[in-house]
Amino acid sequence: QVQLQESGPGLVKPSETLSLTCTVSGGSISSYYWSWIRQPPGKGLEWIGYIYYSGSTNYNPSLKSRVTISVDTSKNQFSLKLSSVTAADTAVYYCASLVGSGVLVWGRGTLVTVSS
Amino acid sequence: NFMLTQPHSVSESPGKTVTISCTRSSGSIASNYVQWYQQRPGSAPTTVIYEDNQRPSGVPDRFSGSIDSSSNSASLTISGLKTEDEADYYCQSYDSSNYVFGTGTKVTVL
Repeated sequence: QVQLQESGPGLVKPSETLSLTCTVSGGSISSYYWSWIRQPPGKGLEWIGYIYYSGSTNYNPSLKSRVTISVDTSKNQFSLKLSSVTAADTAVYYCASLVGSGVLVWGRGTLVTVSS
Repeated sequence: NFMLTQPHSVSESPGKTVTISCTRSSGSIASNYVQWYQQRPGSAPTTVIYEDNQRPSGVPDRFSGSIDSSSNSASLTISGLKTEDEADYYCQSYDSSNYVFGTGTKVTVL
């Protein structure tokens, strides 16, 4: 089965850009849709957006102005960039594979803290 | 967009059955599939139900999902409750290219 692993800095300064990468193993990125989801400490889940291997994307309207998701099929990876971060963006960020209208496989998640 | 509302918490004894509701605020619950995710403390979520009532391989048949159009809600039922079922559970659905998560329910096994 597909496995997902997030990577990237655990600390980002306010107003800067958060950047994370998800590496897909055990399967091709040219299958499924791929998504980012986040969870602030002690709170619920929030969908950020998704991408298809062709590059087509869709983002949560509440984050759309700050989010970019991209894919690198040669590396079997997809990435998240979130600009102009504030403390409210502190969260565990999960990458996930989508099937139909929901998540099939979740990554283990990575905590990103926004602080100076 | 719509919201999915769940009870904040439910609790029950081992061996019993719990049912968690997920009520859609607008639009029909039947118009898009509902998924359910389990999140144990300190861990990533895992999928326990997809497409309303389907179980991924490895998920025991103690977990079942259903849809009730009359109440515009979905339900997750866990029968034969075990201590390992103690976790947060989230429903999730989809509309207009947007994925929406429920508010989450903490299940406590007494």
